[in-house]
Amino acid sequence: DIQMTQSPSTLSASVGDRVTITCRASQSISNWLAWYQHKPGKAPNLLIYDASSLESGVPSRFSGSGSGTEFTLTISSLQPDDFATYFCQQYNSYPYTFGQGTKLEIK
Amino acid sequence: QVQLVESGGGVVQPGRSLRLSCAASGFTFSTYGMHWVRQAPDKGLEWVAVTSNDGSIRYYADSVKGRFTVSRDNSKSTLYLQMNSLRADDTAMYYCARIRYSKSYPDNWGRGTLVTVSS
Repeated sequence: DIQMTQSPSTLSASVGDRVTITCRASQSISNWLAWYQHKPGKAPNLLIYDASSLESGVPSRFSGSGSGTEFTLTISSLQPDDFATYFCQQYNSYPYTFGQGTKLEIK
Repeated sequence: QVQLVESGGGVVQPGRSLRLSCAASGFTFSTYGMHWVRQAPDKGLEWVAVTSNDGSIRYYADSVKGRFTVSRDNSKSTLYLQMNSLRADDTAMYYCARIRYSKSYPDNWGRGTLVTVSS
């Protein structure tokens, strides 16, 4: 199975900050990676697919980059609505696997 | 708009069975593959199972293989997860998710249904 290591597990930041979350795959997954935002009691929301493609309707302050084994999600200027948990998922091969998640908290 | 609503969760004793449902609306259900994904308390997400749009192809995580069965009724736009021989470590929030058309990644998720396995 492909292991996804996501860091940090918790991130404290302020409105307006630029933040970066990283996911590392235990083997190459090309660009088969998605990023999701998840708020308590709500459905996870797709942000980025194919490592760097922005999902329709997602604000442009979200961006993704990387290929192979190292990937990043960047939020260029944090907004109050962005405080949530973020997780990555590889879909290169079954079983699909997820990062452990990053909880983005208000500093 | 796309809506996925899970139901059927609850408290069940170890060794018993439970069937989860995922009611889909807002899209042509029979066109899309579907996943089940779960999240145990204070743990990360774990992929559970996937089915193709017509149910002919199904894959399972090793942790549930032989105990869980994914199925679908396209006439009812509903996805199912039959869970047998439940164990304490099956306790989790269970989500269904739609696979983007002609792609591999989930693009829409439900809010989940909670399964608690406890005596």
